[in-house]
Amino acid sequence: DAGVTQSPTHLIKTRGQQVTLRCSPKSGHDTVSWYQQALGQGPQFIFQYYEEEERQRGNFPDRFSGHQFPNYSSELNVNALLLGDSALYLCASSGGTGNQPQHFGDGTRLSIL
Amino acid sequence: AQSVTQPDIHITVSEGASLELRCNYSYGATPYLFWYVQSPGQGLQLLLKYFSGDTLVQGIKGFEAEFKRSQSSFNLRKPSVHWSDAAEYFCAVGLRGGTASKLTFGTGTRLQVTL
Repeated sequence: DAGVTQSPTHLIKTRGQQVTLRCSPKSGHDTVSWYQQALGQGPQFIFQYYEEEERQRGNFPDRFSGHQFPNYSSELNVNALLLGDSALYLCASSGGTGNQPQHFGDGTRLSIL
Repeated sequence: AQSVTQPDIHITVSEGASLELRCNYSYGATPYLFWYVQSPGQGLQLLLKYFSGDTLVQGIKGFEAEFKRSQSSFNLRKPSVHWSDAAEYFCAVGLRGGTASKLTFGTGTRLQVTL
């Protein structure tokens, strides 16, 4: 049973560029959440997708956007990259109800030069 | 807004010694409570969770945690630490409700194990 998978593993971009990160949820999960983890910090919630719609959003600018596909996989897009966007981006999946724990992928390490 | 405090940034214990990692939360009601572990370069692995019922919950790898409502705490414990337990530990809270909740994490506690 495959867990949450994310691609790519590592990515290097320059300021001003755009990036797309991908996530496939654990089998049987329909909800995908994205988190940003800066070095030495705990993960910060970006947004959550359920039924192909953004359901909740954290305190992140509109440069961060996402999408969920009918197969429940998801993308995170970041436009106009800033140096401060360098971080580990984690995807988590769960069932649609609140009492289902979230399972995390290994993340995408994004470095901005 | 809810918040999570992990007062210990770094803890060092000897292999075989007991461990307690502290977690306090601030929230208007009892949230869902979680402990996750993160090894270097890896994602987060769920150790245990508290939703309701028995306030002492058992998790994987011999870990347990106790929910204390009066202290707004959810401390993680292990009676005998193994060298492989060295990692970063995160406490997290989630809003109770009908849909999957966003998680609010603490800043983490880095555990070092000496042989």
